[in-house]
Amino acid sequence: EAQVTQNPRYLITVTGKKLTVTCSQNMNHEYMSWYRQDPGLGLRQIYYSMNVEVTDKGDVPEGYKVSRKEKRNFPLILESPSPNQTSLYFCASGAPGGGVNTQYFGPGTRLTVL
Amino acid sequence: AQSVAQPEDQVNVAEGNPLTVKCTYSVSGNPYLFWYVQYPNRGLQFLLKYITGDNLVKGSYGFEAEFNKSQTSFHLKKPSALVSDSALYFCAVRDDTGGFKTIFGAGTRLFVKA
Repeated sequence: EAQVTQNPRYLITVTGKKLTVTCSQNMNHEYMSWYRQDPGLGLRQIYYSMNVEVTDKGDVPEGYKVSRKEKRNFPLILESPSPNQTSLYFCASGAPGGGVNTQYFGPGTRLTVL
Repeated sequence: AQSVAQPEDQVNVAEGNPLTVKCTYSVSGNPYLFWYVQYPNRGLQFLLKYITGDNLVKGSYGFEAEFNKSQTSFHLKKPSALVSDSALYFCAVRDDTGGFKTIFGAGTRLFVKA
């Protein structure tokens, strides 16, 4: 089954404790992206990647890191989480297909930073 | 800078009546426009997109959207609403100037009453 998976689905942590949220897709997509969803703000793009070793900042990259060492995986790293990073996070992938892509979203990771 | 506005936080409609969810956008180049739907506790699902060509785009579950360049709008429509259409709807935009940053609107919650 074609899908985007994220782990963990739920995470409660404390300020300053490094964490990683994994994202994996099995559709051989070049494009992957991370978003956070907050009430009233919709989805805001954190980082995206056009291919292995190619990443770029979205609208809200501060406090986050990403890496793209393999085509299928795109982990999101919070080196020192803070309470304002409490949010619902979505990973997505897509095939540019001539410069345009439809994105396929994972189920989401709900993060709480105390 | 790119932006998307969904002017209604919530839309209420009776089952069987037509529905419209509004979206306006601003981009530098030509727009690529998308609608996604989010059901409770789920990730986003693609509904439809406008890239070029016919201004009326048909998508999944009987939804359609009309691209209006002069009004910079991309409203989502359905001729006859179902209770099962109740969900959170997001409009998104990218432009054709070469970047792959995607901007989402804040979302519109659709309630369809039986």
